[in-house]
Amino acid sequence: DAKTTQPNSMESNEEEPVHLPCNHSTISGTDYIHWYRQLPSQGPEYVIHGLTSNVNNRMASLAIAEDRKSSTLILHRATLRDAAVYYCILRDVDRGGADGLTFGKGTHLIIQP
Amino acid sequence: DTGVSQDPRHKITKRGQNVTFRCDPISEHNRLYWYRQTLGQGPEFLTYFQNEAQLEKSRLLSDRFSAERPKGSFSTLEIQRTEQGDSAMYLCASSLWGDEQFFGPGTRLTVL
Repeated sequence: DAKTTQPNSMESNEEEPVHLPCNHSTISGTDYIHWYRQLPSQGPEYVIHGLTSNVNNRMASLAIAEDRKSSTLILHRATLRDAAVYYCILRDVDRGGADGLTFGKGTHLIIQP
Repeated sequence: DTGVSQDPRHKITKRGQNVTFRCDPISEHNRLYWYRQTLGQGPEFLTYFQNEAQLEKSRLLSDRFSAERPKGSFSTLEIQRTEQGDSAMYLCASSLWGDEQFFGPGTRLTVL
């Protein structure tokens, strides 16, 4: 499986934008980039995913580098509720989702009031 | 809210005992996944069902572990002869085909 690399932790201030980076230099052409987050004492929750183009939803934006070897999850205005571990995960579209997610250690995002 | 539910939320057992966990997925979801998460680590995939068929098992799933999903609805994960190394959070997730996975709150197992 293609691997992802994320910083162990990041800190940001409330109401400021947060940019969470992910490197995936061995990504294949059929790998989608998924982001999940895990709030304290909860199961992970889906945030966003994309293949090549940048993506926006109500939770976040995903910016994907042109060579697809890196991506950035953008929280436009962080709140204290966004404090969580954020996981960047690659999923092979050819498997049609017929596989488990491969989580790394993720980035522990700390939000300061 | 009809999200994924898991029962029990916490389980304390003695080494050598058997334990069983239950997961109720979102009702229309045909795929169900089990993961294990230890402290400070991301979840690790254990096994996956499509309807009632168990289609994939991780090498992490030793022969002491067994999972079922009768009738393609709820699922159970049983651990026989528990060991202290089995102490972890056991997470269940469901999805509709290959869409995003929805996770339950997990069952925290402590083996004494």
